[in-house]
Amino acid sequence: AAGVIQSPRHLIKEKRETATLKCYPIPRHDTVYWYQQGPGQDPQFLISFYEKMQSDKGSIPDRFSAQQFSDYHSELNMSSLELGDSALYFCASSPPGEPNTGELFFGEGSRLTVL
Amino acid sequence: AQSVAQPEDQVNVAEGNPLTVKCTYSVSGNPYLFWYVQYPNRGLQFLLKYITGDNLVKGSYGFEAEFNKSQTSFHLKKPSALVSDSALYFCAVRDATGGFKTIFGAGTRLFVKA
Repeated sequence: AAGVIQSPRHLIKEKRETATLKCYPIPRHDTVYWYQQGPGQDPQFLISFYEKMQSDKGSIPDRFSAQQFSDYHSELNMSSLELGDSALYFCASSPPGEPNTGELFFGEGSRLTVL
Repeated sequence: AQSVAQPEDQVNVAEGNPLTVKCTYSVSGNPYLFWYVQYPNRGLQFLLKYITGDNLVKGSYGFEAEFNKSQTSFHLKKPSALVSDSALYFCAVRDATGGFKTIFGAGTRLFVKA
């Protein structure tokens, strides 16, 4: 079965650079979520999109922005990178019809390292 | 605001013994509760959820969890642990009154010894 696809899987950037992470949800899933997981930490909710509109916002820094496109894939753009942005970034999707009760299907994550 | 507490950083159990991983939650409305498992450098995998109905829910790999409204708890259980169950377990909650945000607990590392 198709899963959530994230790219790139690994990314190394310098401080103050910009990074873009991509997420392709499971086909026919219309809700996408972004989470940030630091080393030994729980996943922190950043932002979510439902039917291409921002649906909820968490602890996403102002330096970050995200959007969901017409094909439902989503991109997380991170600018002015800081050392503390080094983390595993997960994308998750959930199926239509139950945006509130459905479980999340996670991708394998994108590991960002800021040097 | 919603929150989740997992009071144990690590749970150690011998293979074949029952296991319990504890979780308590706080939401303003009714809770939707979830358990996920994470293996090293992998994404989280869904185990089970409580939305409504029977307080005892059964999930993947023989896991089950009991919803206790009065104690605001949702403990994960398995009658007989396997070495392969060793992983990081996250409890999560979503407020049923609306919103898409799912909040995760700090995680509990389960170590099953052969």
